[in-house]
Amino acid sequence: DVKVTQSSRYLVKRTGEKVFLECVQDMDHENMFWYRQDPGLGLRLIYFSYDVKMKEKGDIPEGYSVSREKKERFSLILESASTNQTSMYLCASGEPTGSDTQYFGPGTRLTVL
Amino acid sequence: GENVEQHPSTLSVQEGDSAVIKCTYSDSASNYFPWYKQELGKGPQLIIDIRSNVGEKKDQRIAVTLNKTAKHFSLHITETQPEDSAVYFCAAIWEGGSYIPTFGRGTSLIVHP
Repeated sequence: DVKVTQSSRYLVKRTGEKVFLECVQDMDHENMFWYRQDPGLGLRLIYFSYDVKMKEKGDIPEGYSVSREKKERFSLILESASTNQTSMYLCASGEPTGSDTQYFGPGTRLTVL
Repeated sequence: GENVEQHPSTLSVQEGDSAVIKCTYSDSASNYFPWYKQELGKGPQLIIDIRSNVGEKKDQRIAVTLNKTAKHFSLHITETQPEDSAVYFCAAIWEGGSYIPTFGRGTSLIVHP
């Protein structure tokens, strides 16, 4: 059974803290993605990676960075958390072709106080 | 870039009724259209998809139709059940191009018993 796991389901941080969100996939997928989900706005792409050490900006990269040191792991970093980064964060992985386009993790609900 | 519009944002039906969710896309290069279901507390999960060389695809109570000329595609759920209650997302992807999905904003389907 395919699996994408995220390090935390719920996280509460304070403004200005550095926050790490970890994502691990066990499907040997090349592509990994970080999305942010907010009510009424759907899924917005923050960053994606199509290979180890490679990263590309998505639609809303400001305030975020990413790291992909190993194929199975993709980390999202908030260098200095702000209240407007309170959101649900979803990680996904997939291959560039075929119906294995995206498998999602369960999400991390981040609250920044 | 691609733009995907999804309607309605909320859909309330009685158990046993049919539900239809519609999406339109802007980029004629898009050729792969997946639909995702997101249950409460979980990440989105692929439920059905369609490619541009096919006009309709069925899987038990769910079906997807695609009109390439009009650039719209729809999800049809027949004989709805309470467990169909979830948020549904459509997406458009250019396989052979960026492979990055553009998502609609989601439809919250509520099936009343």
